[in-house]
Amino acid sequence: EDKVVQSPLSLVVHEGDTVTLNCSYEVTNFRSLLWYKQEKKAPTFLFMLTSSGIEKKSGRLSSILDKKELFSILNITATQTGDSAIYLCAVIYGGSQGNLIFGKGTKLSVKP
Amino acid sequence: NAGVTQTPKFRVLKTGQSMTLLCAQDMNHEYMYWYRQDPGMGLRLIHYSVGEGTTAKGEVPDGYNVSRLKKQNFLLGLESAAPSQTSVYFCATADTGREQYFGPGTRLTVT
Repeated sequence: EDKVVQSPLSLVVHEGDTVTLNCSYEVTNFRSLLWYKQEKKAPTFLFMLTSSGIEKKSGRLSSILDKKELFSILNITATQTGDSAIYLCAVIYGGSQGNLIFGKGTKLSVKP
Repeated sequence: NAGVTQTPKFRVLKTGQSMTLLCAQDMNHEYMYWYRQDPGMGLRLIHYSVGEGTTAKGEVPDGYNVSRLKKQNFLLGLESAAPSQTSVYFCATADTGREQYFGPGTRLTVT
């Protein structure tokens, strides 16, 4: 059965801390891995990772994919209260229709 | 340029009533998707479409129907609503094999 597993499910940190969110997957015909941030409404796209070992970076956020070990991490440095959200990992797999399978998400709470 | 829009934003239905959720996009994407999101369950795919006139079942299709008569619109129908269909519904669109862009969601309560 295809699946995406995120850990931890929830995390509480203080402003300025660095956090690492984990995503492992088992899918048929992997194509890409995506990270989304979801605050109170729709998920917003962060990164798309297709190749192993190449870090994607945007400000304080970065992510990397390991296709051999079938996982990805999302790092957030110098966290701020505005980083509080649910972070979703998803994998595009299968045929040309590019279906996504989502993990259950990691709820990050950043305290002042 | 509105991106992906959903109508309505909120709705309360009684058990057995029917309704249609509308998703509209101006991004010229071929692929469109309907998800539901429930606490502790993540996002689950209901139905999807790879182009005008085509639809396919996702992970949790029972109790829902869809239609894609025009490229820019994807409709989700509930013929006889049940309390188990209380959820937040998201529409998403994508280019081939690319990231999906989500609409703002519809919060549906079935009493």
